[in-house]
Amino acid sequence: DAKTTQPPSMDCAEGRAANLPCNHSTISGNEYVYWYRQIHSQGPQYIIHGLKNNETNEMASLIITEDRKSSTLILPHATLRDTAVYYCIVRYNTNAGKSTFGDGTTLTVKP
Amino acid sequence: GAVVSQHPSRFICKSGTSVKIECRSLDFQATTMFWYRQFPKQSLMLMATSNEGSKATYEQGVEKDKFLINHASLTLSTLTVTSAHPEDSSFYICSARDAESPFGNNEKLFFGSGTQLSVL
Repeated sequence: DAKTTQPPSMDCAEGRAANLPCNHSTISGNEYVYWYRQIHSQGPQYIIHGLKNNETNEMASLIITEDRKSSTLILPHATLRDTAVYYCIVRYNTNAGKSTFGDGTTLTVKP
Repeated sequence: GAVVSQHPSRFICKSGTSVKIECRSLDFQATTMFWYRQFPKQSLMLMATSNEGSKATYEQGVEKDKFLINHASLTLSTLTVTSAHPEDSSFYICSARDAESPFGNNEKLFFGSGTQLSVL
């Protein structure tokens, strides 16, 4: 699976959009980008995933660059409950269990 | 969405005790479940893959006899930490993939809430 690079930490004001970047310059054509988050002392939670096109669901939007070497997770209106560690994972879609969780980005939403 | 239930959420025991952690998929069948451990301020580390009806597959460096995994049904996998010692204290997490999920666009993982094990 391709390696990802994320900033270790970010702050965001409550109510504002949180934009979390992820670099995956070695991604291959068949690898998907997945985002999970882990709130303190809980198991990770699936957020969104995509291959080439931008994706949106009730939780977030995923913007993938045209060359697929980077992506951005957007939480449109961050709340205090969005404070968590966000993991960007790149992997083949048939290899869910081998997802490699890097260090992620600790997002702190401040009032 | 799919729910994975993990019990207990917290367990404190004396050194030498064996501890069993259960992971259940509540509204879907999971032929494969995964076990992770996580130390404070670190990321998740995959320990083993639990396969229904067959032996688990362990990651390199994980002791099979120390961490016993049983996956006897499509909805239940258990991890037993045998003769636990203080260095086994950690946050243990399970996850499952929906067996009915079609390959190609839906290989999401659903995680349990984790078990904080403290060995005194």
